[in-house]
Amino acid sequence: QQQVKQSPQSLIVQKGGISIINCAYENTAFDYFPWYQQFPGKGPALLIAIRPDVSEKKEGRFTISFNKSAKQFSLHIMDSQPGDSATYFCAASTLITGTASKLTFGTGTRLQVTL
Amino acid sequence: NAGVTQTPKFQVLKTGQSMTLQCAQDMNHEYMSWYRQDPGMGLRLIHYSVGAGITDQGEVPNGYNVSRSTTEDFPLRLLSAAPSQTSVYFCASSYSGQGYSGNTIYFGEGSWLTVV
Repeated sequence: QQQVKQSPQSLIVQKGGISIINCAYENTAFDYFPWYQQFPGKGPALLIAIRPDVSEKKEGRFTISFNKSAKQFSLHIMDSQPGDSATYFCAASTLITGTASKLTFGTGTRLQVTL
Repeated sequence: NAGVTQTPKFQVLKTGQSMTLQCAQDMNHEYMSWYRQDPGMGLRLIHYSVGAGITDQGEVPNGYNVSRSTTEDFPLRLLSAAPSQTSVYFCASSYSGQGYSGNTIYFGEGSWLTVV
């Protein structure tokens, strides 16, 4: 059972457009919500993250919107560029021991930004 | 800046063979983990370690073994490879949570494994 549901599976956006990727979760123990960006042949890299006590976080062209009551969060990429073409994973983190946390990933969204 | 280093990058195994995927980090991170990535399933946690000598199972541990004899190294062993273990494997590390779930987890570049 997928604890973090991500949509869409793939997304094509024109250069300059807005890319929106949505995620939903069930486990209320999650306390940290990062987004990872992965280019082909590379490992995932942290893009931006948010805590559930904040409704929005913005870093440059990337914004996370967080709705705690609906247990949903989304990534918005403004002014999308061809260099943003990658696979994006939402994730949710929870402590599994006093000092270790576990990431639960969504299934990924393959974003293609066209010219 | 080596970060998290994985070897080998690519490997083809025959069913029943065993092998070890190597992972090393030079950031003095206490926490290390192994994930596998399969199409349409995201990344799933195999095993993790919160420090030298301490390991525990993740959500898909069957068929894999780990040990942590040093802070830097966290090898993943496939005991008897099966076609279902064909996947991309990522090693990751971070500072310990210390009660805080939010330390950045750094991933290696992956090891592509095919079991025939």
